[in-house]
Formats: sequence, C-alpha cells, structure tokens
Amino acid sequence: DAGVIQSPRHEVTEMGQEVTLRCKPISGHNSLFWYRQTMMRGLELLIYFNNNVPIDDSGMPEDRFSAKMPNASFSTLKIQPSEPRDSAVYFCASSLLLGMGTGELFFGEGSRLTVL
Amino acid sequence: DQQVKQNSPSLSVQEGRISILNCDYTNSMFDYFLWYKKYPAEGPTFLISISSIKDKNEDGRFTVFLNKSAKHLSLHIVPSQPGDSAVYFCAALLNFGNEKLTFGTGTRLTIIP
Repeated sequence: DAGVIQSPRHEVTEMGQEVTLRCKPISGHNSLFWYRQTMMRGLELLIYFNNNVPIDDSGMPEDRFSAKMPNASFSTLKIQPSEPRDSAVYFCASSLLLGMGTGELFFGEGSRLTVL
Repeated sequence: DQQVKQNSPSLSVQEGRISILNCDYTNSMFDYFLWYKKYPAEGPTFLISISSIKDKNEDGRFTVFLNKSAKHLSLHIVPSQPGDSAVYFCAALLNFGNEKLTFGTGTRLTIIP
C-alpha cells in the first residue's frame, strides 16, 4: 500500500522565489496535516484539514504561507515569497478520524527546503 | 512557548541496557500522549501511546510511563538494540477526538554496540 507521498523531496531556491510543496495522502484518510521540523522547535503543526476543509491554521507563520486541499487526494503548501528562515523539513501526514482521533498519524518522507 | 518539552537533545546507551527518554508538558488538559520514532530521511512513525487515565502502557520492549501530577512521561526501551537508534518525539493531544498533536523537539538516541 502506498503511504503518504510528498514532492519534491528536496528543494533549493533563492530568497523571494515561490515554493510549492505537494502531498498525496493515503487513500481513504480524511484528515491531512502539514508540519514543519526545525532543530529549535521540533515538529510544529502548520495547518490541518478534515474532509478537505481547513480546521486549524493557527500554526501558519504568516501570510506568506498558504495551504489548499482541492480534493481528498491532493494538498499543497505554498510559500511566497520564500525567506532563508523558512528553511526546514516540511512533513505531510494523514489519518483516518473515526470520530475518535488517537494521534496516530502517517507521515510522508518530508520535503527538505533550503532557501538561500 | 513550548508546551511539550524534551530537555535532552541526545542520549547514548550501550546495547542491551535500558534506554529512558523523558518528556515534560505544561498543559494539564492534555488527554493523550504518544511517542513517535524517526529515522534519517524518513517521516516519523507511531511507536506507542498512553491515555491520561492510565499510568503505564507496555508493548514488547517499549513501555511508556505517565506521571500526571509531575506532568511527566517517559519511554523505556529494554533491552536497547542498534535498530533503536533514531530520533524520538514525544507528542500530546489536547483532548481525545482532537487530532491536533503538539510535539516536543525530539531526543536523538544512539545505541552503542
């Protein structure tokens, strides 16, 4: 079975450029999460969707960040314009919420972003 | 402000001995706690969890202990094996049924053969 698929795995870009990260959740999962991993803050939740609807975006750092989930099998995280401090590993995760969320998320392999 | 804290960035343990990873939290409303394990260039994977109504949960070599009065939980791995070398993240759920996980900063565990 395919897990959560993220692309690109690595992205190197220059400050000011637009970055788009992509995620395909596990088929049948109805919740999708975007996390960012940094040394200082560990794994931070940026936003999560349930049934394609954004539920909590309080972790999105600022207006430069936006996320969409146009359908159940695809989501994007966009940074425009990108800044060096956005350099991090971005993880997408999905889960099947059966009315009793247990925190058992399935993570993709991550997208490592470097902004020069 | 970090609501879930892992104060030890790294830990080295001899193979066969016990590994103890610690985690502290500040929000007494957290209802459910989890440990995730992460290998390099991979995403975190779920390891073990515990509900706030329990003080211990065991799964094979892994045991999680919860001390609610101290707002502290720990993960014990016995015996430690080389394949356990990874980064371990502690995480907490605000209430059962909510999927907003709050993670700590992680502890890198190295098992020395």
